[in-house]
Amino acid sequence: KNEVEQSPQNLTAQEGEFITINCSYSVGISALHWLQQHPGGGIVSLFMLSSGKKKHGRLIATINIQEKHSSLHITASHPRDSAVYICAVFPYGGSQGNLIFGKGTKLSVKP
Amino acid sequence: KAGVTQTPRYLIKTRGQQVTLSCSPISGHRSVSWYQQTPGQGLQFLFEYFSETQRNKGNFPGRFSGRQFSNSRSEMNVSTLELGDSALYLCASSLVHKVMDEQYFGPGTRLTVT
Repeated sequence: KNEVEQSPQNLTAQEGEFITINCSYSVGISALHWLQQHPGGGIVSLFMLSSGKKKHGRLIATINIQEKHSSLHITASHPRDSAVYICAVFPYGGSQGNLIFGKGTKLSVKP
Repeated sequence: KAGVTQTPRYLIKTRGQQVTLSCSPISGHRSVSWYQQTPGQGLQFLFEYFSETQRNKGNFPGRFSGRQFSNSRSEMNVSTLELGDSALYLCASSLVHKVMDEQYFGPGTRLTVT
């Protein structure tokens, strides 16, 4: 079993829909990272959080440390949101780079 | 401020050869981490350098090595290439060594081993 599980693996939505991507992990963590990867490979950090909730524009990330679960929400989705969204965790005792990654959720938003 | 740069962007090598990839972090960043991304395994941590010292290493064979120079630029080397080493190699830089320090990713080097 992977230490970081994401669901769904693939997601197709219509423009304007509200989207939720889930991430569950089995290890104790210091923090959790949400990343966005566009075709071509470039990765952008969206959020880094260790508790509660963060919001940036149409994106919202939440984490429940007790339940070992995080969600990424996209409100009013747009075709430019089409990308792979990756959840990654910093395990306790790990250092800066030692992330454990989920397999990613491929999102396609249709106009 | 210039972002993280990686060279070369694309590379084709033959089995048994060796390869060196380069990563230049954002100016002022002292921590560089390397990752391998394959369709089967996804993203996996290779190693992390801070102030010219390897701080952490992922579960990869000794054929994978790296180093960091005094200007924080980093290189990774893969010797005796295997077909399974074909992947996108990404580096990321951050200011220091702390977990909550944001990482900035480079565009990656796509390595194909034939």
